[in-house]
Amino acid sequence: AIRMTQSPSSFSASTGDRVTITCRASQGISSSLAWYQQKPGKAPKLLIYDASTLQSGVPSRFSGSGSGTDFTLTISYLQSEDFATYYCQQYNAYPVTFGGGTKVEIK
Amino acid sequence: EVQLVESGGDLVQPGGSLRLSCVASGFTFSSHWISWVRQAPGKGLEWVASIRPDGSEKHYVDSVKGRFTISRDNAENSLYLQMNSLGAEDTAVYYCARLKGWTTIYDYWGRGTLVTVSS
Repeated sequence: AIRMTQSPSSFSASTGDRVTITCRASQGISSSLAWYQQKPGKAPKLLIYDASTLQSGVPSRFSGSGSGTDFTLTISYLQSEDFATYYCQQYNAYPVTFGGGTKVEIK
Repeated sequence: EVQLVESGGDLVQPGGSLRLSCVASGFTFSSHWISWVRQAPGKGLEWVASIRPDGSEKHYVDSVKGRFTISRDNAENSLYLQMNSLGAEDTAVYYCARLKGWTTIYDYWGRGTLVTVSS
């Protein structure tokens, strides 16, 4: 199975900050990468797919980039509702696999 | 509005069985692949199983093959997961999730149901 590694596993940030989360695949996955946001006790929410395509209804402060093995999720101006855990997921090959998550906490 | 509502989670003893259900609404259920994805307490997400719209094709993660069975009833807009020979490693919140078109991107998720395997 393709291993997805996210970094950092957690960090603290302030409202208004620009934040970047990294996801690395153990082998090339083209652009078959999605990002999800999960808040405590809630279901994950799709933010981005195909590495950089914003899901309908997701604010434009979220953006994604990368291809092959290295990907990033950027939040350009962190809002209070963005404090959550973020997961990457590859869907280039079965089984689909997720990263371990990055928790964004309030500083 | 797309909705997926899971049920059936419970406390079960090791070696026991459980059947989870997921009822869908707000979209044409019979047109979509649907998956079960689980999340162990404090851990990340793990895909468990997926089923084709007509039920003719099913896929499982290796760790549940031979123990779990995914099925669906399109007339009832329902998805099921029969879980047998449960072990502590199966303790998790189980989500049903809709696949976006014919991709393996999950565009809608339920709120999950908790399965606890413990004596």
